[in-house]
Amino acid sequence: EAAVTQSPRSKVAVTGGKVTLSCHQTNNHDYMYWYRQDTGHGLRLIHYSYVADSTEKGDIPDGYKASRPSQENFSLILELASLSQTAVYFCASSGTVNTLYFGEGSRLIVV
Amino acid sequence: GQQVQQSPASLVLQEGENAELQCNFSTSLNSMQWFYQRPGGSLVSLFYNPSGTKHSGRLTSTTVIKERRSSLHISSSQTTDSGTYLCALVNYGNEKITFGAGTKLTIKP
Repeated sequence: EAAVTQSPRSKVAVTGGKVTLSCHQTNNHDYMYWYRQDTGHGLRLIHYSYVADSTEKGDIPDGYKASRPSQENFSLILELASLSQTAVYFCASSGTVNTLYFGEGSRLIVV
Repeated sequence: GQQVQQSPASLVLQEGENAELQCNFSTSLNSMQWFYQRPGGSLVSLFYNPSGTKHSGRLTSTTVIKERRSSLHISSSQTTDSGTYLCALVNYGNEKITFGAGTKLTIKP
């Protein structure tokens, strides 16, 4: 069974603080993605990666950095968290058959 | 950039009725996927359907490339079908995957 694991599952952060969301996949997939979802909305792409040590900007990259140190791991970094970054964040991986496997989501509240 | 529009935004039906969800896209299709998001938040892949019609139980997905649309049909709806349905477009050039805003489906008993 393909698996994508996110941590932490829930976090409360202080405005201006640093937040790191981690994602680990055991699917042997090349592609990994970070999305955010705001209440009542679809998923918006923040960053993605198709190979280790390389990341690409998605549709809403401002305020976020990404890191792909290995094929299995993909992190999303908020250097200076802001109130507007309160959302649920989803990580996903994809292989050559173009089927996305999602993690369970990380709920971030910035106060 | 890629644009994906879903309709309706929300749909309320009585159990047993059929549901028809639409996804329209503004760029040339690369591949289309449909997802179901449970009320608790997790997402499950329903179909990978770049063209034609695919069936899975009570679900049918039809993608018509030249009309730049894809649909998801749910027959004989059940209360457990309630949730949000999302379509996603994959760009083979850069493997960027873009989602629509989703259709929130509520099935009443």
